[in-house]
Amino acid sequence: AQSVTQLGSHVSVSEGALVLLRCNYSSSVPPYLFWYVQYPNQGLQLLLKYTTGATLVKGINGFEAEFKKSETSFHLTKPSAHMSDAAEYFCAVTINTGTASKLTFGTGTRLQVTL
Amino acid sequence: NAGVMQNPRHLVRRRGQEARLRCSPMKGHSHVYWYRQLPEEGLKFMVYLQKENIIDESGMPKERFSAEFPKEGPSILRIQQVVRGDSAAYFCASSPRNQVGIYGYTFGSGTRLTVV
Repeated sequence: AQSVTQLGSHVSVSEGALVLLRCNYSSSVPPYLFWYVQYPNQGLQLLLKYTTGATLVKGINGFEAEFKKSETSFHLTKPSAHMSDAAEYFCAVTINTGTASKLTFGTGTRLQVTL
Repeated sequence: NAGVMQNPRHLVRRRGQEARLRCSPMKGHSHVYWYRQLPEEGLKFMVYLQKENIIDESGMPKERFSAEFPKEGPSILRIQQVVRGDSAAYFCASSPRNQVGIYGYTFGSGTRLTVV
């Protein structure tokens, strides 16, 4: 079965600083990888996803992530944090079973942005 | 095009009562997934349904919990005889196909259940 591990349940950065949220996955077959963002009392919104092809994926709000098979990682980055980026971020994985499939989520990383 | 609609947004139940959570998927989506979010635990998969069928219920507790997605109407997650440990946010997501790796999910805003 596939799984994801998000290192660091809380990350704090200064406004304008680099954002790096870590995600490592475990899968016996090529995975599909996702990052979602959750603002307080809201549902999850898709930031970006990796399916096949280019390993550097660009998403909304200036975020991007790079799929590194050798490191089994899919870390999320943003060059310059903004106050509005404060939220909880979830990494998720699935595999193409050809039939029923579902997303498996990490435990989340709460991003705090300070002045 | 409305997104995934969940209601109610907040639900308070006394111990022993029943909770019914409703989810209307996006137009054109026939695959529905329910997840439960507990504090500091991320989202845990509960059940995956397609119209009139339960495809995967491997995450559902064996007792008191049930789900359905009838031919007409929303998907329902039903919790009988609620206990304090059922207090959580319950999220519904939908997808147009079963290959979620390609299509991903669209999430609703969730139902926050509080058992008192």
